[in-house]
Amino acid sequence: GAVVSQHPSWVICKSGTSVKIECRSLDFQATTMFWYRQFPKQSLMLMATSNEGSKATYEQGVEKDKFLINHASLTLSTLTVTSAHPEDSSFYICSARDPSGSWQFFGPGTRLTVL
Amino acid sequence: GQNIDQPTEMTATEGAIVQINCTYQTSGFNGLFWYQQHAGEAPTFLSYNVLDGLEEKGRFSSFLSRSKGYSYLLLKELQMKDSASYLCAVMDSNYQLIWGAGTKLIIKP
Repeated sequence: GAVVSQHPSWVICKSGTSVKIECRSLDFQATTMFWYRQFPKQSLMLMATSNEGSKATYEQGVEKDKFLINHASLTLSTLTVTSAHPEDSSFYICSARDPSGSWQFFGPGTRLTVL
Repeated sequence: GQNIDQPTEMTATEGAIVQINCTYQTSGFNGLFWYQQHAGEAPTFLSYNVLDGLEEKGRFSSFLSRSKGYSYLLLKELQMKDSASYLCAVMDSNYQLIWGAGTKLIIKP
């Protein structure tokens, strides 16, 4: 099956710093990728839809200036958490939509801890 | 609004059968997915239903009734490793996944 990778798998940073998370589709081209956030004991919450070559579409309540998304190529999307604070500590998961449009393949997730 | 309901937690015995229900109300329907998620890991795909009926895949089966907005995931011959959260998700008319809150399944020996 299709593989999506994320890097890093976990990161610890100080409050006020920025953290970049990469999401790559390894064996297919993904014009659309999704970024999710999951707090402990809660379901996945869609943060934004990332479209290659255009601006990301953010869900209501997600600050676009804080969570910067760049989808510069058909196999790479990045999420940058700017000026991270402890409340941003969460599990961030990306997924990539396959060319047929019906399937989403998930990355392994990135555990962010902000001290 | 869009809504997906599933039980918060269920408990079952090793070797038994358990059925996890999911009801949904979404704007459009392009299929229903079941995912398994172990603690601290990303979800893994279990099943996809877009037509009414039962899809069987080994110990796991998934059923869909579009007219009732209802699905269930059936797990047979439960094993301890099946202890996980099971997420129901519906793909809406915009091909976005709408997620349920997940059902935590606890398997007891």
